[in-house]
Amino acid sequence: QKEVEQDPGPLSVPEGAIVSLNCTYSNSAFQYFMWYRQYSRKGPELLMYTYSSGNKEDGRFTAQVDKSSKYISLFIRDSQPSDSATYLCAMGGANAGGTSYGKLTFGQGTILTVHP
Amino acid sequence: DSGVTQTPKHLITATGQRVTLRCSPRSGDLSVYWYQQSLDQGLQFLIQYYNGEERAKGNILERFSAQQFPDLHSELNLSSLELGDSALYFCASSEKTENYGYTFGSGTRLTVV
Repeated sequence: QKEVEQDPGPLSVPEGAIVSLNCTYSNSAFQYFMWYRQYSRKGPELLMYTYSSGNKEDGRFTAQVDKSSKYISLFIRDSQPSDSATYLCAMGGANAGGTSYGKLTFGQGTILTVHP
Repeated sequence: DSGVTQTPKHLITATGQRVTLRCSPRSGDLSVYWYQQSLDQGLQFLIQYYNGEERAKGNILERFSAQQFPDLHSELNLSSLELGDSALYFCASSEKTENYGYTFGSGTRLTVV
């Protein structure tokens, strides 16, 4: 079983729809949770960064973390064709002895297409 | 432009060969990370350097090695290449050792034939 599970999709929605993306994880040591967006042939771009449980909102994007359920979500409101990309969840946190430093563990990514 | 520069963008080489991928971090960033992205494995952490020193190691093969130079640029060396090493190799950088919101470069696409 992978440490981080993410449904690869693909997910296709009409413009203006609310998109819900999510990941589950098994490592309770994860403390930092991120969402990256990756366009084709580009590097991942950081969208949202959350520490521990709770919600964070940034424009049309809302990230939620539920550490008790080991479940994180990204919501995209009023989705646009320009949101079409692969969305990757990522997690990090010091392991026993604090030697993980900046290592991130990524989900497989969900391919999202927003059609006009 | 993310500020993280990777060269070359594309590389085609034969099995058994050795290649070097180069990364220049964003100005002011001391930490450099290398990741491999393949279709079946996704993004996999390889190794992290901070200010010239190795800080964390992931699932990096013994045929692979990396270093960070005094000017903070980093190189990833891949040797005895196999077909399965074909992948996108990304470099990322951050200011500190534990800053998880780091910035990725555009990657080097390696094709081993």
